[in-house]
Amino acid sequence: EVQLVESGGGLVQPGRSLRLSCTASGFTFGDYVMSWVRQAPGKGLEWVGFIRSKTYGGTTEYAASVKGRFTISRDDSKSIAYLQMNSLKTEDTAVYYCTRDRGRFDYWGQGTLVTVSS
Amino acid sequence: QSALTQPASVSGSPGQSITISCTGTSSDVGYYNYVSWYQQHPGKAPKLMIYDVSNRPSGVSNRFSGSKSGNTASLTISGLQAEDEADYYCSSYTSSSTRVFGGGTKLTVL
Repeated sequence: EVQLVESGGGLVQPGRSLRLSCTASGFTFGDYVMSWVRQAPGKGLEWVGFIRSKTYGGTTEYAASVKGRFTISRDDSKSIAYLQMNSLKTEDTAVYYCTRDRGRFDYWGQGTLVTVSS
Repeated sequence: QSALTQPASVSGSPGQSITISCTGTSSDVGYYNYVSWYQQHPGKAPKLMIYDVSNRPSGVSNRFSGSKSGNTASLTISGLQAEDEADYYCSSYTSSSTRVFGGGTKLTVL
């Protein structure tokens, strides 16, 4: 059974950093693109970025709203994807979901809430 | 990358059919056949309902169907049921190798 479990969310002050983790199980993690998607309170879904598999260079792509502030990485030996968030803004407050990305998001984690507030 | 355009809300009575549209551009919806649809109930993670425009994942009811014409994709739900009441989002691959979502549509079953 495919499972994705996010962790690392919490309350953080504007301008600070936070790192989220997504622990995967039930599939060969290293073979897949992994995306992060967020949802601000009461708002719609917003794609944040993804990381390709090592087969395709492990390169990343980001939404314009987070480019230069957020970094996605992966540790295939541990089946974990990371989202490093720097220079956080109040508008980054959202539930952050980890998803398996095959051109469609076929599996989702339960999400972790990040609140950016002073 | 601008969000895809969806109606904010649609409604229908049990047993009826509804269609939700998703309009993009020739750089996303019109560029690839990588349009997908997600159902989200309050407080829950989204669930994949349709992928590659018109394919259903295993376990998704055949009451859900998808199509595309030009830069507009559509999700149709036939034989509407109370449990279909949820938010629905479309998503597309883009020509710049990113992903984009629609703004979401709230479906109310009357």
